[in-house]
Amino acid sequence: EPEVTQTPSHQVTQMGQEVILRCVPISNHLYFYWYRQILGQKVEFLVSFYNNEISEKSEIFDDQFSVERPDGSNFTLKIRSTKLEDSAMYFCASSGDGNQPQHFGDGTRLSIL
Amino acid sequence: GEDVEQSLFLSVREGDSSVINCTYTDSSSTYLYWYKQEPGAGLQLLTYIFSNMDMKQDQRLTVLLNKKDKHLSLRIADTQTGDSAIYFCAEKGSNNNDMRFGAGTRLTVKP
Repeated sequence: EPEVTQTPSHQVTQMGQEVILRCVPISNHLYFYWYRQILGQKVEFLVSFYNNEISEKSEIFDDQFSVERPDGSNFTLKIRSTKLEDSAMYFCASSGDGNQPQHFGDGTRLSIL
Repeated sequence: GEDVEQSLFLSVREGDSSVINCTYTDSSSTYLYWYKQEPGAGLQLLTYIFSNMDMKQDQRLTVLLNKKDKHLSLRIADTQTGDSAIYFCAEKGSNNNDMRFGAGTRLTVKP
């Protein structure tokens, strides 16, 4: 069964550094998403992406965050200048259309030192 | 704001049925989902229900939706030790792309 894949599984970065989290969505899906889960808290929506542009974003997704689909397969989340509070598990998801279920990757654990 | 609530823990004996409950506040919720998360793994879609349905059954899983009370439940029949995991309830409206998640219910199955 096709699945969403995320790399790396664990990323350790110094505060203030840029980090790029990578995702390969399911190949025929058109909608892409990023969520995060801070340890002990709920899974929170960050951003959705469709037709090469952001379709929706939450208050968390400020100017430090950006997303990109640099080629036909990858979907990336960039955090420009990481803060301690960015430490979390980041999940990528994709769906065939906006109303179909979202399928999630295994996540990238981001640790900011 | 809109919210999704779940109880945090549930413990059952192997072979018993498990019922995990969820309440939500958004009356425009169109789709409601159950995801399973095993240790160190991602969110696995278990099942989902459209808001115009009140029940959906899929093998050992039964989802019940009471739209009037905004209450969703997941019943796992003949619970096995492999069912031990965190189960997340999530909802999505028709006019937005984001899903709102509950905090997750940790199901422990004792032999």
